[in-house]
Amino acid sequence: GAGVSQTPSNKVTEKGKYVELRCDPISGHTALYWYRQSLGQGPEFLIYFQGTGAADDSGLPNDRFFAVRPEGSVSTLKIQRTERGDSAVYLCASSLTGGRGINEQFFGPGTRLTVL
Amino acid sequence: AQSVTQLGSHVSVSEGALVLLRCNYSSSVPPYLFWYVQYPNQGLQLLLKYTTGATLVKGINGFEAEFKKSETSFHLTKPSAHMSDAAEYFCAVSDQTGNQFYFGTGTSLTVIP
Repeated sequence: GAGVSQTPSNKVTEKGKYVELRCDPISGHTALYWYRQSLGQGPEFLIYFQGTGAADDSGLPNDRFFAVRPEGSVSTLKIQRTERGDSAVYLCASSLTGGRGINEQFFGPGTRLTVL
Repeated sequence: AQSVTQLGSHVSVSEGALVLLRCNYSSSVPPYLFWYVQYPNQGLQLLLKYTTGATLVKGINGFEAEFKKSETSFHLTKPSAHMSDAAEYFCAVSDQTGNQFYFGTGTSLTVIP
């Protein structure tokens, strides 16, 4: 079956612009996670959705970052007024359920964002 | 709060040699521990995980890891390296809610023919 997909695979933008990154989770997975992976670092947690609601957004670095999942499936990570420091690979993962108990997270290939 | 330290950002082994990738964690509560592998241009893939029970955990591709509470370690091993094992390996820790995962900075494994 189809895995987690992310679009675009690469995004180049200019400082100050607005970008949207899309994640299509595995069908039926209720939990969805966003991570940011900077060069030479491990993935850093940003936000976790359970269904349509953000169960934990404590990893979002500031109010320029926002994510939605209006129908409990596809999610969009939105970054306003991009800065060069936002350049990274943005990873999305989904799991069958979240919350208590551990279910395997399935990761997408990521979107490489470059802010010039 | 949880955190993970991976000792050695780059490890090189000869084909057929033992693979040992080190991971130490810090957690104020009993942790769940994971190893992920990332091949070039691919997404992260779960190798194995420890939640409860047996402390020696076997994963895919012949890898295994042992949870040692007294040493706060979860080192990854494989008896005999294959060329196909060359990849980036990440250790991760979670609390028991599973809502957040904290990854280490990764270890790049090179296998020398």
